Amino acid sequence: DQQVKQNSPSLSVQEGRISILNCDYTNSMFDYFLWYKKYPAEGPTFLISISSIKDKNEDGRFTVFLNKSAKHLSLHIVPSQPGDSAVYFCAARPSGSARQLTFGSGTQLTVLP
Amino acid sequence: NAGVTQTPKFQVLKTGQSMTLQCAQDMNHEYMSWYRQDPGMGLRLIHYSVGAGITDQGEVPNGYNVSRSTTEDFPLRLLSAAPSQTSVYFCASRGQGPYSLHFGNGTRLTVT
Repeated sequence: DQQVKQNSPSLSVQEGRISILNCDYTNSMFDYFLWYKKYPAEGPTFLISISSIKDKNEDGRFTVFLNKSAKHLSLHIVPSQPGDSAVYFCAARPSGSARQLTFGSGTQLTVLP
Repeated sequence: NAGVTQTPKFQVLKTGQSMTLQCAQDMNHEYMSWYRQDPGMGLRLIHYSVGAGITDQGEVPNGYNVSRSTTEDFPLRLLSAAPSQTSVYFCASRGQGPYSLHFGNGTRLTVT
């Protein structure tokens, strides 16, 4: 049973518009959430993170929102650029000593010029 | 600035063959891990290590062995390859400070 779910395998947006990628989780022990970006033939690279004590974290064009009551987080990219086209993975870390990351299945974002 | 280096980039094996996927990092990170990426499944943790001489199982450890004799290297061994092990394998490391993994560029393995 997947504890971190990305229900949209793909998303297409026009250049300059907002991209919203969604992620849901089921484990209430998760206390830290991350987004990774992956280009073809490369490894994932860290993009942005958020602690469960916050509901928003912003870094340039990227903002992550966390809704703990709904067990939902989202990544907003504004404005979207063609270079943002990639697979985006959300990941979650449980509190406690294990601290291993659990990843979602990824969303392929395509930004159309 | 190499970061995490994985070799080979591509490999084709026949069922029953064995091989070792190599992973090396030059960041002096204590934590290293192996993930596999399959369509629709995301990245799943195979094995991880919190330091030289210490390894532990992740979510999908069956069919894989690891060892950690040095801080820099964390090889992943397939003892008897099976078609179900066809996947893309990523090695990752993490240091102290903000919790984020540094990934290698992956090894694409096909088992026929």
